[in-house]
Amino acid sequence: QKEVEQNSGPLSVPEGAIASLNCTYSDRGSQSFFWYRQYSGKSPELIMFIYSNGDKEDGRFTAQLNKASQYVSLLIRDSQPSDSATYLCAVEGGSYQLTFGKGTKLSVIP
Amino acid sequence: GAVVSQHPSRVICKSGTSVKIECRSLDFQATTMFWYRQFPKKSLMLMATSNEGSKATYEQGVEKDKFLINHASLTLSTLTVTSAHPEDSSFYICSARDGRGSRDSPLHFGNGTRLTVT
Repeated sequence: QKEVEQNSGPLSVPEGAIASLNCTYSDRGSQSFFWYRQYSGKSPELIMFIYSNGDKEDGRFTAQLNKASQYVSLLIRDSQPSDSATYLCAVEGGSYQLTFGKGTKLSVIP
Repeated sequence: GAVVSQHPSRVICKSGTSVKIECRSLDFQATTMFWYRQFPKKSLMLMATSNEGSKATYEQGVEKDKFLINHASLTLSTLTVTSAHPEDSSFYICSARDGRGSRDSPLHFGNGTRLTVT
């Protein structure tokens, strides 16, 4: 069974700091990796996706993928209170189906 | 960009009644749509994969006779919760990807439907 593991948190960081969110997955054949942000009571919204080993940067966000270690992370630089949300890691193995982690709740303290 | 529209956003119904939720892809064709359910403080759980023109594929533990899925066109999938009970109260979310299936077209989510069964 495919599993995606995330620390549920909450992860608290001060405003302006770097928030580091981690995710591990069990299916070595996974091909695509996504980070979604979900505010309470709202639907998830895509933050970033990454396919290749290494880093991918988009504004304040950096996704890191290490397929050998089956590990994917999301770094948020200059964290803002508006970044406070639950961050879902999702892994795609095929047929466009995503397996989601349980999410990490991030709190950015002003 | 691609948009997925889901309706209604919120519904309250009495136990034993049926509720239909619609999911539309507004500017792209979606041969496949996915239905998720999310209980409070839990992650998204895939319920079923909706395939245009064919039967839906249900995940283990999801009753296909209770959660009826119809994907009659390339832009519309519906989920009907039949004979709803309070334990069916949850946040239901649909998602879809551009039918061309490019790796650069990630999954887009509808805004979700909050179902409350009294």
